Amino acid sequence: DVVMTQSPLSLPVTLGQPASISCRSSQSLVSSDGNTYLNWFQQRPGQSPRRLIYKVSNRDSGVPDRFSGSGSGTDFTLKISRVEAEDVGVYYCMQGTHWPPVTFGQGTKVEIK
Amino acid sequence: EVQLLESGGGLVQPGGSLRVSCIASGFDFRFDSMSWVRQAPGKGLDWVSGISVSGDSTYYADSVKGRFTISRDNSKNTLYLQMNSLRAEDTAIYYCAKPFGGTFDSWGQGTLVIVSS
Repeated sequence: DVVMTQSPLSLPVTLGQPASISCRSSQSLVSSDGNTYLNWFQQRPGQSPRRLIYKVSNRDSGVPDRFSGSGSGTDFTLKISRVEAEDVGVYYCMQGTHWPPVTFGQGTKVEIK
Repeated sequence: EVQLLESGGGLVQPGGSLRVSCIASGFDFRFDSMSWVRQAPGKGLDWVSGISVSGDSTYYADSVKGRFTISRDNSKNTLYLQMNSLRAEDTAIYYCAKPFGGTFDSWGQGTLVIVSS
């Protein structure tokens, strides 16, 4: 199974400042079809997960453009350009290239300082 | 608007059985593979099972293989998860999500299953 490793696991940030979350996979996530199925999800307190980013860098409809995804191969990053109060929650990366099983990172808790 | 509405969670004794359901609306259920993902209290996300559009192909996490069965009824737009031989470590919120494979673009609100005596 592909192991997804996120860092940091806890991220205190100041409102208006940038934030960055790293996600590394135990093997390349480039699929035989040429796509890289790396996703980012946000889970606000008490809510279901919500997809933010798919295939490394594609933002979902309605996701603010302060969220961006980048990376390739085994190394990926989610960036928030200016953190807002509504961004508090846990962020998960997930690989969908080598399944079953699909696998998630441990989660990164973003909180306001 | 895509909606996934889970139901059927509750309290069950260790060794017992439970079936959770997910009713889908807002998209053509017949043409999407589906999944179950769970989240133990205070923990991260864990994929449980997936099923193809026709139901002919099913997939399971090693932790539930042989105990859980995923199925679907395309005439009722409904996804099921039959859970047998339940253990304390199966205690979690169970989310229905679509599709199965590269990504999950939609999630339900979840149903809580508690396994305890």
